[in-house]
Amino acid sequence: LAKTTQPISMDSYEGQEVNITCSHNNIATNDYITWYQQFPSQGPRFIIQGYKTKVTNEVASLFIPADRKSSTLSLPRVSLSDTAVYYCLVGDTNSGNTPLVFGKGTRLSVIA
Amino acid sequence: ETGVTQSPTHLIKTRGQQVTLRCSSQSGHNTVSWYQQALGQGPQFIFQYYREEENGRGNFPPRFSGLQFPNYSSELNVNALELDDSALYLCAIRGGPNTEAFFGQGTRLTVV
Repeated sequence: LAKTTQPISMDSYEGQEVNITCSHNNIATNDYITWYQQFPSQGPRFIIQGYKTKVTNEVASLFIPADRKSSTLSLPRVSLSDTAVYYCLVGDTNSGNTPLVFGKGTRLSVIA
Repeated sequence: ETGVTQSPTHLIKTRGQQVTLRCSSQSGHNTVSWYQQALGQGPQFIFQYYREEENGRGNFPPRFSGLQFPNYSSELNVNALELDDSALYLCAIRGGPNTEAFFGQGTRLTVV
């Protein structure tokens, strides 16, 4: 399973765009990139998933360069409620048997 | 909406005791996984069940065991509790390949 590296923490002011980059140099051909968000004392919540180029949904965008060795989660105009830990996961989600492998994540603190 | 319910939400046990944690969902999902999350760490994969059979296991000793029932509910059993077993235990369900995982809110286990 490909290992991921993310910054341990980030700070941002309300209303700013936040970009969290994840490195996954050993990503395999069948691997997808998935991001989860976790608030204290709650389970992680799916944010977005992608394989290549750009994916956008109602809460975030995911940018994946051609070599797929990194990815960037972009949160537009963050608010205080976006303060959470964000996890980047890499794995073959086409196989329902592949467990999710979490790293330590990035702790985002949004300041008023 | 897919709701995952874990019980109990909090639990205090004494070292050496045994504990059973439960997980259920509003809709049937084939795959259920259990994770242990220590304070300040990402969730660590314990094991996974698919159609009532264990089909994946992380680096956890045999005293961690589980069951999945025909109604897709699941149990995590831990025998001979140790102080280091104190953590947030999360269950996650997934409908199939390339689908997002839905996590419960977790059970906070404290071993004293």
